[in-house]
Amino acid sequence: QQQVKQSPQSLIVQKGGISIINCAYENTAFDYFPWYQQFPGKGPALLIAIRPDVSEKKEGRFTISFNKSAKQFSLHIMDSQPGDSATYFCAASRRQAGTALIFGKGTTLSVSS
Amino acid sequence: KAGVTQTPRYLIKTRGQQVTLSCSPISGHRSVSWYQQTPGQGLQFLFEYFSETQRNKGNFPGRFSGRQFSNSRSEMNVSTLELGDSALYLCASSFRGIEGGLSGNTIYFGEGSWLTVV
Repeated sequence: QQQVKQSPQSLIVQKGGISIINCAYENTAFDYFPWYQQFPGKGPALLIAIRPDVSEKKEGRFTISFNKSAKQFSLHIMDSQPGDSATYFCAASRRQAGTALIFGKGTTLSVSS
Repeated sequence: KAGVTQTPRYLIKTRGQQVTLSCSPISGHRSVSWYQQTPGQGLQFLFEYFSETQRNKGNFPGRFSGRQFSNSRSEMNVSTLELGDSALYLCASSFRGIEGGLSGNTIYFGEGSWLTVV
């Protein structure tokens, strides 16, 4: 049972465009939703995270939008740059589950110059 | 501040052997968790240790085990290796785990140990 579904699997965006990655979750007990960025040969690095009591969180060019009723959240990358080309993972966890993150399958983003 | 350090970075083992991977968390972090990353299954949680106690376990067979030492360093062991165990094994550390707010639960990953089983 896949508890966090991520789409699209891959994404190609022009430099300066907006990249949008979507995730949907099933378990309403999830209370922490981070996004990770992973470059080839590296471990995932935390980009931005949100709790369900907030509908949107922005950090620089990265924004999380959260829809609790629809059980969906998305990552928006504004003014996408070639350096943003990487694999992005959404994740979810329950505070009582400690650091057990449930990850989406990932989205490979390519930003063309 | 040094990040999460994993050793070895790359290793090749033969089916049936066992392997031990090591992880040094960020200084001051007491929670260490392990993940397996494969192209097919993605990132999957193996287990978490906090203050030398296993606090949470994912859905993996008993061949996968781990432990944490008093200095928070952790090891994971896979016995009787199978071809399907070939993967990137990631260690992650955090300051508090269950307690704490959003920043206290931030999980930092190491660069991983690439295991190839032949």
